[in-house]
Amino acid sequence: QKEVEQNSGPLSVPEGAIASLNCTYSDRGSQSFFWYRQYSGKSPELIMFIYSNGDKEDGRFTAQLNKASQYVSLLIRDSQPSDSATYLCAVSNSGYALNFGKGTSLLVTP
Amino acid sequence: GAVVSQHPSWVICKSGTSVKIECRSLDFQATTMFWYRQFPKQSLMLMATSNEGSKATYEQGVEKDKFLINHASLTLSTLTVTSAHPEDSSFYICSVAELGGNEQFFGPGTRLTVL
Repeated sequence: QKEVEQNSGPLSVPEGAIASLNCTYSDRGSQSFFWYRQYSGKSPELIMFIYSNGDKEDGRFTAQLNKASQYVSLLIRDSQPSDSATYLCAVSNSGYALNFGKGTSLLVTP
Repeated sequence: GAVVSQHPSWVICKSGTSVKIECRSLDFQATTMFWYRQFPKQSLMLMATSNEGSKATYEQGVEKDKFLINHASLTLSTLTVTSAHPEDSSFYICSVAELGGNEQFFGPGTRLTVL
């Protein structure tokens, strides 16, 4: 069974702080890594993806990948109340099939 | 990213009836679409991969005779839940992947409630 693990949270951070979300995966053949944001009752929306070891930055978001440790993370700088949502980590080892974690609930308090 | 629509956005039906959910790719032709199901507080689970002009590929444990998928055109895939039961109540979401890219873009989802 290929697992994608996330801490369910909730992770609570004050407005303006950095939120750090973590994800581990079991399939060493995984090649593509995605972070999605899902608001309650809505479908996921893609935040960013990363394929290579290291950091990838997009605005307030930074994805970090360490394939040796089978670990991927998402940092959200200057967190806003509107960032409060569930963040889903998804992993793919080939083609398009995505294996999702259960998500981490993030609460940004004003 | 790709724009994907689903219809209906929610549906309530009686046990034993069939329900059809449509997924449309609005801004490009999708040879492959995906159907996911999400139970409350759970992750998205891939049900099947819908391929235009051919049979869908179902994930292990998903009954292909219960969840009928038809990918009749490059912009439309349908999921029919046959003889629905209360345990089929869930959030059904489709997605598309753009050619040459690995990212999937999701439709708004369909909330199915079976009484």
